[in-house]
Amino acid sequence: ELKVEQNPLFLSMQEGKNYTIYCNYSTTSDRLYWYRQDPGKSLESLFVLLSNGAVKQEGRLMASLDTKARLSTLHITAAVHDLSATYFCAVDKESQGNLIFGKGTKLSVKP
Amino acid sequence: DTGVSQDPRHKITKRGQNVTFRCDPISEHNRLYWYRQTLGQGPEFLTYFQNEAQLEKSRLLSDRFSAERPKGSFSTLEIQRTEQGDSAMYLCASSFQSSGNTIYFGEGSWLTVV
Repeated sequence: ELKVEQNPLFLSMQEGKNYTIYCNYSTTSDRLYWYRQDPGKSLESLFVLLSNGAVKQEGRLMASLDTKARLSTLHITAAVHDLSATYFCAVDKESQGNLIFGKGTKLSVKP
Repeated sequence: DTGVSQDPRHKITKRGQNVTFRCDPISEHNRLYWYRQTLGQGPEFLTYFQNEAQLEKSRLLSDRFSAERPKGSFSTLEIQRTEQGDSAMYLCASSFQSSGNTIYFGEGSWLTVV
């Protein structure tokens, strides 16, 4: 059974600091998704990573994928309050879109 | 707005009643997915369609749940004889069939069973 583990589950950061969220998964997959969710809202797509070594950046967020290590990272640079949200990684088990999600990382950025 | 649309956004129902949710995917997206999310958890896959064919169902989808996509466009998810454990947000998502295309989620339908 495919398992997706994120850590940390809770992250309190100060504005301007850098941090990394980790996403480990248990079986082979080369499709990894990152989503953002604000309280009471749906999921906003951030990144789709499709191959080993893939790196994508958008603003203060950068995601990478290492399929051999079964690890993806979401790096936050110089955090700002607007980044406060829950971040989910998800693995596409059979490349069909039936995603297996991690439990999410609740990020709080404080002034 | 041409995103994934879900209706109703909120539903409160008594235990034992039937409820139905509707999802309108992004135009031309041939794949449609249903997920369920409870508080503090990540979404869990329920089922997906490619055009009108239902290709996979999770073991989470008990016999009380049924989903249809009759013309390959909108989809409905019906829950019969609701139980309190069915209380959750039901998320619909869609994508265009292609390797690694973005999967777009709707705003979700919140179900509370009392």
